[in-house]
Amino acid sequence: GDSVTQMEGPVTLSEEAFLTINCTYTATGYPSLFWYVQYPGEGLQLLLKATKADDKGSNKGFEATYRKETTSFHLEKGSVQVSDSAVYFCALSEVYAGGTSYGKLTFGQGTILTVHP
Amino acid sequence: DTGVSQNPRHKITKRGQNVTFRCDPISEHNRLYWYRQTLGQGPEFLTYFQNEAQLEKSRLLSDRFSAERPKGSFSTLEIQRTEQGDSAMYLCASSQGTGTLYGYTFGSGTRLTVV
Repeated sequence: GDSVTQMEGPVTLSEEAFLTINCTYTATGYPSLFWYVQYPGEGLQLLLKATKADDKGSNKGFEATYRKETTSFHLEKGSVQVSDSAVYFCALSEVYAGGTSYGKLTFGQGTILTVHP
Repeated sequence: DTGVSQNPRHKITKRGQNVTFRCDPISEHNRLYWYRQTLGQGPEFLTYFQNEAQLEKSRLLSDRFSAERPKGSFSTLEIQRTEQGDSAMYLCASSQGTGTLYGYTFGSGTRLTVV
């Protein structure tokens, strides 16, 4: 079955540090890949996505590139801020040959990011 | 449009009681999903609807769980004879189509505590 594995956390950084959160996946079809963020007390918010190999998703200074050869979708940001402190989830949605997708998301376990001033 | 709304935000119940949660999706979204999230884990898929039809159910959804989406609008998730293992955050999400193009919008969740 489909699965997503994220690097173990928590991750603690100083402001303006470089961030990488690793994500690898296993899927039988051609998944779309997502990063969601969950701020304290709030719901999951879509951060960025990529729907095919070599696509780069980007938003709010965060980037992730869909690497089919390494089945990875690592999240990066060049300079983190205190306001980036949150839980980050990597997820996939399976898309099968012919474009059929059931739409359900398979999530990783989440990575807690804490950024100190 | 205020996004996906879930009620209640918190529910504490005694073991063995029945509980019902409600989700109001974004009005133009035809798909609605339920997920369960336990502490320190990512959300796990429970079930989804396309309009009023329930198209898939996870093996996590035991026979004590039932979900409905009458008229393809709001949805309810009922848990009968609650157990302590049911304690979790229950998340609802909606999308127009499969969500792979435009993403999914999540509600803030209902936190269930079974004592």
